[in-house]
Amino acid sequence: LAKTTQPISMDSYEGQEVNITCSHNNIATNDYITWYQQFPSQGPRFIIQGYKTKVTNEVASLFIPADRKSSTLSLPRVSLSDTAVYYCLVGDRSNSNSGYALNFGKGTSLLVTP
Amino acid sequence: DTGVSQDPRHKITKRGQNVTFRCDPISEHNRLYWYRQTLGQGPEFLTYFQNEAQLEKSRLLSDRFSAERPKGSFSTLEIQRTEQGDSAMYLCASSVGQGRRLQLNEKLFFGSGTQLSVL
Repeated sequence: LAKTTQPISMDSYEGQEVNITCSHNNIATNDYITWYQQFPSQGPRFIIQGYKTKVTNEVASLFIPADRKSSTLSLPRVSLSDTAVYYCLVGDRSNSNSGYALNFGKGTSLLVTP
Repeated sequence: DTGVSQDPRHKITKRGQNVTFRCDPISEHNRLYWYRQTLGQGPEFLTYFQNEAQLEKSRLLSDRFSAERPKGSFSTLEIQRTEQGDSAMYLCASSVGQGRRLQLNEKLFFGSGTQLSVL
């Protein structure tokens, strides 16, 4: 069972780069690391996923060190609309018959201000 | 945009009543999930379907909760004899998955949820 630890909250100003780090010391060999974003009164939205090294898409970058015990979501030049909760997910094999149950943890609440 | 659709968006009910929520997934997605989210917490996995088969239901919170996906398309989540502790956001998600086991690298597409308030 790979649990994750993220900061409860973070603050940033518009235009800054924001890095949110997630610790997952018990990550298993074939686990992926996935990040979701959630705005109030909406369901989570997939942001990015990776297995190792660095992944970049039009929204964010994901940095994963060689030991994979942590990962960092990087949001370049945040705007007010990036204010949301960000969740880091790794494997949860609490039921081996069904595979992974994708539980989200409490996430990191990011507040972007002018 | 034919994303995941949930109905109703809000439901207010009295304790002891039954409620049913509907989810219409993205049309080509074979997997459908139900989650519950309470204030300040992340979504909590409840159950999932692959086509019409409910492959995981051990996480349903009690025997008052049940879900169906009779034709492998839309799904319903029913809560019988509601309690105040059932008040939460109920989220539905869908994905394209292979095999019978959930894989972490699946990308879930969520609806906007049904907010349930039990008085």
